[in-house]
Amino acid sequence: GIQVEQSPPDLILQEGANSTLRCNFSDSVNNLQWFHQNPWGQLINLFYIPSGTKQNGRLSATTVATERYSLLYISSSQTTDSGVYFCAAVTDSWGKLQFGAGTQVVVTP
Amino acid sequence: DSGVTQTPKHLITATGQRVTLRCSPRSGDLSVYWYQQSLDQGLQFLIQYYNGEERAKGNILERFSAQQFPDLHSELNLSSLELGDSALYFCASSVESGGGYTFGSGTRLTVV
Repeated sequence: GIQVEQSPPDLILQEGANSTLRCNFSDSVNNLQWFHQNPWGQLINLFYIPSGTKQNGRLSATTVATERYSLLYISSSQTTDSGVYFCAAVTDSWGKLQFGAGTQVVVTP
Repeated sequence: DSGVTQTPKHLITATGQRVTLRCSPRSGDLSVYWYQQSLDQGLQFLIQYYNGEERAKGNILERFSAQQFPDLHSELNLSSLELGDSALYFCASSVESGGGYTFGSGTRLTVV
């Protein structure tokens, strides 16, 4: 099956800093999503982005499907951005998500 | 509120017992997915239903079963529970297979 790899595994940021998280996938995908899991365990859908670029406030994402990677940008980070960021890919027609191992982000005041 | 409702939020039970986790999908969504998140395995796909029919199976143990009812809510049944079944169980729904997912807040199962 498809392999989804995320980097870096851990990231410590000072409030106000910018960062880039990367997601590589080993095969063509039908769909790619980014999620944020907050410290309470909730999985929040950030972007549904099989290709192209999207922006939502301080977050933006770019997927280059032909080169099999996606990037999540966090600008002007805030402590509320702390948590684990997952990317997940769909390769079959029924929508099963294959998750990466996640990037643990800690934003310090 | 994501629109996907999972109950209960927390569950503590003993080894060997059976529990039922419930999920109500977002209004209009026909696909329901179950995922398990454990410390050592990460987020793993268990099973998917589409409009009442099972569509895909992942690494779901034989002790686990699920169903989707005519009103589209779904239940995940876990039996003969073991300590290793302790995990966060998520339900997610989408309008159609492969579309944007919405996750529920999860059920945290602790087996003691």
